Amino acid sequence: DIVMTQSPLSLPVTPGESASIACRSNQTLRHINGYTYLDWYLQKPGQSPQLLIYLGSDRASGVPDRFSGSGSDTDFTLKISKVEAEDVGVYYCMQALQTPFTFGPGTKVDIK
Amino acid sequence: HLQLQESGPRLVKPSETLSVTCTVSGGSDSDTYYWAWIRLPPGKGLEWIGNFYYTGNPYYSPSLKSRVTISADTSRTHISLNLTAVTAADTAVYYCAANVGTSGIDVWGQGTTVTVSS
Repeated sequence: DIVMTQSPLSLPVTPGESASIACRSNQTLRHINGYTYLDWYLQKPGQSPQLLIYLGSDRASGVPDRFSGSGSDTDFTLKISKVEAEDVGVYYCMQALQTPFTFGPGTKVDIK
Repeated sequence: HLQLQESGPRLVKPSETLSVTCTVSGGSDSDTYYWAWIRLPPGKGLEWIGNFYYTGNPYYSPSLKSRVTISADTSRTHISLNLTAVTAADTAVYYCAANVGTSGIDVWGQGTTVTVSS
């Protein structure tokens, strides 16, 4: 199985400031087709997870542009510019290159 | 648009079989979707259980493969998850989910909480 790690695991943020979460895989997530199969999800308190970013850097429908994904091969970053109070929750990266798909341990974001 | 709704017993006894059903409504072109079951144990992170396409064979997490079955009815309105010989470690919120877009799991059910306890 591909192992996913994230850092930090806890991230207190100040509204209006930027925040970044790192995600790393133990093998490349780039497919021979050129796409990189790395997704980001946010699970807000009491809600189901929601897709934020797919293929490493493509924002899902309806996701605000303050969320951006970057990175390649094994190292990825989710950036939230100008954090809002509604952005609190647990953020997960997930590799979708090969089954079983695997998630990172999650990064809990809350307001300072 | 596609909607998913999980249902099933909230309490299952150890060693018995956990059965959860996902009711599918809305959506179209379902042959191109993949369907997945994912769970969230209390105090832990998300765990992939398995996934399948209507036109292919299911894939299961190796850690659960000997105990799990995912299937769909012929009407394609219900997707089932069966997990045998459950223990307390199987206590979790179980989510039915689907990929309908380019990539990523973009449709999720609300989840159903299942507790394994005698």
